[in-house]
Amino acid sequence: QKEVEQDPGPLSVPEGAIVSLNCTYSNSAFQYFMWYRQYSRKGPELLMYTYSSGNKEDGRFTAQVDKSSKYISLFIRDSQPSDSATYLCAMSGGGGAQKLVFGQGTRLTINP
Amino acid sequence: EAGVAQSPRYKIIEKRQSVAFWCNPISGHATLYWYQQILGQGPKLLIQFQNNGVVDDSQLPKDRFSAERLKGVDSTLKIQPAKLEDSAVYLCASSTWTGRRDTEAFFGQGTRLTVV
Repeated sequence: QKEVEQDPGPLSVPEGAIVSLNCTYSNSAFQYFMWYRQYSRKGPELLMYTYSSGNKEDGRFTAQVDKSSKYISLFIRDSQPSDSATYLCAMSGGGGAQKLVFGQGTRLTINP
Repeated sequence: EAGVAQSPRYKIIEKRQSVAFWCNPISGHATLYWYQQILGQGPKLLIQFQNNGVVDDSQLPKDRFSAERLKGVDSTLKIQPAKLEDSAVYLCASSTWTGRRDTEAFFGQGTRLTVV
């Protein structure tokens, strides 16, 4: 069993839709939870960063962490074609940069 | 601020050949990471340096992979001899982490290696 499981998709939605991306994990030591966005042939860039359980909102993006269920989510409101990318969840027990364990990535396409 | 620089962007080699990748981290970043991203998968950490010392290389296939970070700045990752399963994007990342303050990792664009 992988430490982090993420539905690879692909996921295709119309512009303006609400997108929900999810990951589950098995390692109880994970305390730091991140979402990265990766455009084609680019490196991952940090989108959202949450420590422990709870919600965090940044513009159209909301990250949720439920440690009791070992489940994290990323919601994108009013999705735009520019949001089309691969979204990677990542987790760590030691901090936002330490030994990140990534999910497989979900490929998202927003159709105009 | 300049980002993490990597070269070359693309490399095609035959199996059993050797290859080297270069990374220049963001100026002032003490910690440097090499990740391997196989097509359709998330990145996997290969090795982490703090300055010029190795912090973690538990997932580095040491029989064929080696890495060094001279003078605590630039780093090279080498594969010798390469296998077909080494085809992947090799990502370099850096951070200001020194063991005390939380921070984030910044990734380069990666080197896409194809082994034929």
